[in-house]
Amino acid sequence: NAGVTQTPKFQVLKTGQSMTLQCAQDMNHEYMSWYRQDPGMGLRLIHYSVGAGITDQGEVPNGYNVSRSTTEDFPLRLLSAAPSQTSVYFCASSYRTSGRWELFFGEGSRLTVL
Amino acid sequence: SQQGEEDPQALSIQEGENATMNCSYKTSINNLQWYRQNSGRGLVHLILIRSNEREKHSGRLRVTLDTSKKSSSLLITASRAADTASYFCTGSSSNTGKLIFGQGTTLQVKP
Repeated sequence: NAGVTQTPKFQVLKTGQSMTLQCAQDMNHEYMSWYRQDPGMGLRLIHYSVGAGITDQGEVPNGYNVSRSTTEDFPLRLLSAAPSQTSVYFCASSYRTSGRWELFFGEGSRLTVL
Repeated sequence: SQQGEEDPQALSIQEGENATMNCSYKTSINNLQWYRQNSGRGLVHLILIRSNEREKHSGRLRVTLDTSKKSSSLLITASRAADTASYFCTGSSSNTGKLIFGQGTTLQVKP
């Protein structure tokens, strides 16, 4: 199993550009989520999904869109990038049954918005 | 889900010493998890403790949970330089997702 795969690992954008961060997992996890982490900070939840076709907002959803058309994929879209969105983005997934709650994280996508 | 607030924010110890970090949360939970993050990497799950458990061990890790005080502690015994990392807690009260993390405790273990 590859686990949770995020692409790209690094990206530089100009203000106003749009882009999609890709996240894929091959563990058949129901739950997927996106976090952002700013320097010296913890993780803040952007959006999450408890299954295909179901998404919900986290703590900091503004400026981001998500969709969950398949169990495996959970892309994060930046519609019009702003310098405040410069951050490291982490995707995570987990089972939601049988008490198997632990999150599996990707290695992160480092985004710089100029 | 419940935000975990870790304390202290930073901890520096010598190799071989024990490291204790604490986590507080605000409302009832079904379980609480601890994660570790090495610099520049994704978080890695360390241990989960359920609300009906008071203590759990895994190797050099010991986690306690006090639901009456809404707090948990993570003890790393006989620390090693490789334990240098940030540690985060998060609590969950339902099966609806939304695991929220605090700012973490940054642990430095000096060789």
